[in-house]
Amino acid sequence: GNSVTQMEGPVTLSEEAFLTINCTYTATGYPSLFWYVQYPGEGLQLLLKATKADDKGSNKGFEATYRKETTSFHLEKGSVQVSDSAVYFCALSISNFGNEKLTFGTGTRLTIIP
Amino acid sequence: DTGVSQNPRHKITKRGQNVTFRCDPISEHNRLYWYRQTLGQGPEFLTYFQNEAQLEKSRLLSDRFSAERPKGSFSTLEIQRTEQGDSAMYLCASRTGTGSDYTFGSGTRLTVV
Repeated sequence: GNSVTQMEGPVTLSEEAFLTINCTYTATGYPSLFWYVQYPGEGLQLLLKATKADDKGSNKGFEATYRKETTSFHLEKGSVQVSDSAVYFCALSISNFGNEKLTFGTGTRLTIIP
Repeated sequence: DTGVSQNPRHKITKRGQNVTFRCDPISEHNRLYWYRQTLGQGPEFLTYFQNEAQLEKSRLLSDRFSAERPKGSFSTLEIQRTEQGDSAMYLCASRTGTGSDYTFGSGTRLTVV
């Protein structure tokens, strides 16, 4: 079946530090890959996505590259801010008669210290 | 459009009681999903509607769970004879066609005591 494994947290960094959150996947077929962010008390928000191999998704200074050879989609940001504190989820979807349900990793809680 | 709306935000119920949650998707979104998120885990797929048709149900959705989307607009998720293991955040999401992005609601947090 399909699965996503992501770096366990929590992760605590100082402001302006470099961030990497690792994500690898197992899938039958050719998945689309996503990073979602969840702020306290809020729903999931799409942060970025990539739909085919070698695509790079980017948004708000975050980036992730779809690496088919290593089945990975690691999230990076060059300089984190306190406002980036949240839970980050890596996810994949594969089209199945239009369903495209999401399979999520367990999430990584990120805390940025001023 | 205010996005995907879920009610109630929080529900505390006694074991054995029935509960019902409501989801109002974005009006032009014909696809609607329910996910369940337990503490420290990622969301897990429960069920999927295209318009009013329920097209897929997860094995997680036991016989005590039922979901409806009677007119292809709002959806309800009912849990009968709740158990402590049902305590979780129930998330609703909607989207338009193939390849479109999901929009998630803020969820309903259920606590079974």
